[in-house]
Amino acid sequence: NAGVTQTPKFQVLKTGQSMTLQCAQDMNHEYMSWYRQDPGMGLRLIHYSVGAGITDQGEVPNGYNVSRSTTEDFPLRLLSAAPSQTSVYFCASRRTGTYGYTFGSGTRLTVV
Amino acid sequence: AQKITQTQPGMFVQEKEAVTLDCTYDTSDQSYGLFWYKQPSSGEMIFLIYQGSYDEQNATEGRYSLNFQKARKSANLVISASQLGDSAMYFCAMSSLFGTGTSLTVIP
Repeated sequence: NAGVTQTPKFQVLKTGQSMTLQCAQDMNHEYMSWYRQDPGMGLRLIHYSVGAGITDQGEVPNGYNVSRSTTEDFPLRLLSAAPSQTSVYFCASRRTGTYGYTFGSGTRLTVV
Repeated sequence: AQKITQTQPGMFVQEKEAVTLDCTYDTSDQSYGLFWYKQPSSGEMIFLIYQGSYDEQNATEGRYSLNFQKARKSANLVISASQLGDSAMYFCAMSSLFGTGTSLTVIP
């Protein structure tokens, strides 16, 4: 089925480790975004991209990097994991214009 | 700066009744979009409904309707004939900015 595929679904990291959360979509959506969801805080935008080769920072970008070399893929890199990055991460994509996001199933990350 | 506010942390509704989930927003943009998403306990995020700032009619999608009052900057979600499967978190969003959500519980 078409959609947004996120991997892994669960991950435990030690403080200081780095890792990449993968996100791929097969709907040819221009917009892709990464969010983190923490209890009581809704979803906060980390980074987003309006097309291949174009990325920008969201509300909470510190400690994260992204790149968009293709329309399909938008990986999120944690440079040096910290306990404050324990969260559920969602990748989402949408077409430009009046369309809602399609979300991936999420990655539950724990940093110990 | 844009802002989205959902003031109801939790709501209860009797099965088959209608319920309104509140959302207010603030923006200086003339053109903007308002969205509602549902997050069941399984964790996935599901897009429900969209309202554009220039749309003259309130948006409807099945049992979901959006009560859009532009002058009051509110975009409330109305769920008619509630079902047990409607129990979930509901998030209001303006473009990429999300509110903190409202937890809806449908009581049999």
